[in-house]
Amino acid sequence: RKEVEQDPGPFNVPEGATVAFNCTYSNSASQSFFWYRQDCRKEPKLLMSVYSSGNEDGRFTAQLNRASQYISLLIRDSKLSDSATYLCVVMKLGGGATNKLIFGTGTLLAVQP
Amino acid sequence: SQTIHQWPATLVQPVGSPLSLECTVEGTSNPNLYWYRQAAGRGLQLLFYSVGIGQISSEVPQNLSASRPQDRQFILSSKKLLLSDSGFYLCAWTAGTYNEQFFGPGTRLTVL
Repeated sequence: RKEVEQDPGPFNVPEGATVAFNCTYSNSASQSFFWYRQDCRKEPKLLMSVYSSGNEDGRFTAQLNRASQYISLLIRDSKLSDSATYLCVVMKLGGGATNKLIFGTGTLLAVQP
Repeated sequence: SQTIHQWPATLVQPVGSPLSLECTVEGTSNPNLYWYRQAAGRGLQLLFYSVGIGQISSEVPQNLSASRPQDRQFILSSKKLLLSDSGFYLCAWTAGTYNEQFFGPGTRLTVL
């Protein structure tokens, strides 16, 4: 089983739609959680951290359910510029001097005009 | 503000040739530094990380090595490239072990 699992998509949605991505992780001791966005042939960029109480940043809302080991990202009022791959990322407790980020393979979003 | 640079942006190398990719960070001191590889259609795989000068930890056995000769410089190397070394190589930094990581623009390597 993969440590971080995401539906690869693609999710094809019209402009203005609301879309939700889900992600599950296998390590219950995971400490921190993030969503990154990656445009085609570009580096991943941090979209938002995911806090236990849930958090919102403009049109984006992230939720964490530790009991179910589940993370979600909701995008409201989709824009064409939201088209990208969204990476679910979990911080794994490491045995060394640093903890490590485990990346999902990403969910592809295509917003249609 | 902090910035991270990688070069070259694109590289095409024959099998068996050496490799040297460079990553530098500006605007911060004593960062944790990371090398990742993203193969086509796959997730990011952590290759190496470093918490200080001369300190390198390897995540997976492979044909590559890393070095950190200066606080804000991280180098990825190979003596002889394999076809399987092709991919998108990303350098990242973080200010602390519980913090988000920030990525450089990456180097796209094709081994022929």
